[in-house]
This record gives sequence, structure tokens and C-alpha cells, in this order.
Amino acid sequence: AQKITQTQPGMFVQEKEAVTLDCTYDTSDQSYGLFWYKQPSSGEMIFLIYQGSYDEQNATEGRYSLNFQKARKSANLVISASQLGDSAMYFCAMREGPLYGNNRLAFGKGNQVVVIP
Amino acid sequence: EADIYQTPRYLVIGTGKKITLECSQTMGHDKMYWYQQDPGMELHLIHYSYGVNSTEKGDLSSESTVSRIRTEHFPLTLESARPSHTSQYLCASSESGGSSPLHFGNGTRLTVT
Repeated sequence: AQKITQTQPGMFVQEKEAVTLDCTYDTSDQSYGLFWYKQPSSGEMIFLIYQGSYDEQNATEGRYSLNFQKARKSANLVISASQLGDSAMYFCAMREGPLYGNNRLAFGKGNQVVVIP
Repeated sequence: EADIYQTPRYLVIGTGKKITLECSQTMGHDKMYWYQQDPGMELHLIHYSYGVNSTEKGDLSSESTVSRIRTEHFPLTLESARPSHTSQYLCASSESGGSSPLHFGNGTRLTVT
């Protein structure tokens, strides 16, 4: 069964605007972690931000913030002040199980973002 | 800054050939992973390792095999390549803590003709 769901179609966003990328997840574990990665057309995977299931505050990392709604099992990524270099695929991923167990990640299908000037 | 290297970057090879995709990291990470990704699709875990002489199969069944004889080296081998193996293969490593992100290499784009 799909553990990470990213269903938004490709998105066009105006430069300097904010964009929200949706991610919902499915797990019965109490301890888990959520990651967002960026994949430009060149293919490398770039880590953006992490949210632990027990973290009380939403994670922020520069222009990236994570809107974590635990009860709804959603972990949406917000990119503020979009730049042309933000054009990429964005993947949400989840680690299930204890914090000091495995680091295996399950990935969603990704959201395509194109920033237009 | 993560230092993880994959070679070759691109590989076109004929059916039936044996190939090895190389992956090395210089960070001393115990944990390493291989993911497979078709164009525009999600990543699927095919192998992982928690340390030297430790390897496990991932969630996606794969005909490839891996070895981990040294901490820094995690090669992936296909004994007999087939067109269905055409894909991108991404190697990653991480520290042991569960909040530690995976650091990825640039990937190997494999085409089997």
C-alpha cells in the first residue's frame, strides 16, 4: 500500500511567490520521521528539511518550512519567495520505526514545480 | 557537505552483459542504500547495508546483488543485464541517527539495449 501520497499535478508558480506542496502519509507507528528532497533536472537528490513525529514545532530551514499536522497525517512543504532555481521535482519521504533503528525511507511519487519569471 | 560518488554517470550496455555500478563515500557512514528510479517516478529501495558484511534486500525486488566489504564502498552488480533493468540507480549513505538524512550520489543512468 502507498505510504506516501503526493497527488498534485505539475505546478507553475510565479517567481517570488510562495508555493505549498502536499504530502500525506500512512503509518501505524508512533515514532517516524518525514523528509523532503528536491531533485532538479540534473538528477541529484538534495535534502531540504526534516520533521520528527515527536517534534512539537514545525521544522523550518531557510525558505523551506514544513506544515506538520499529525492528526491529519500531513506534512506539507512550503517554499517561500520562489526562485527560478526552485524548479524541480520535490519528493516527500518517511522513515518508520524507532529513531535509532533504520534510516530506510519510503518515497512519494513527487510534485513537479516550475517557477516562471 | 556530503561526499558520495557514483560511477559511471551514464552507461549504455547490451543485453546479457555483467555490470557493476560503483558507489563510494568518504564520510565514514555505516549505513548505505541503493534506490532505483524510473524517469519522473518515485524512488524504490532495492538494497541497504548497516555496515561491513551486512546487506539486506529492500522493498522492491531486484535481480541485482550488492556487497559491503569496506565501509566506504557499496557496489551493485547485475550478472546479466536486460532491457527491464533500464533505469536510474541512486546510491545514498547516512549516519546512524533516525533524523539523519540520506546523502545521495549523482546517480547512474543505465540503458540496456
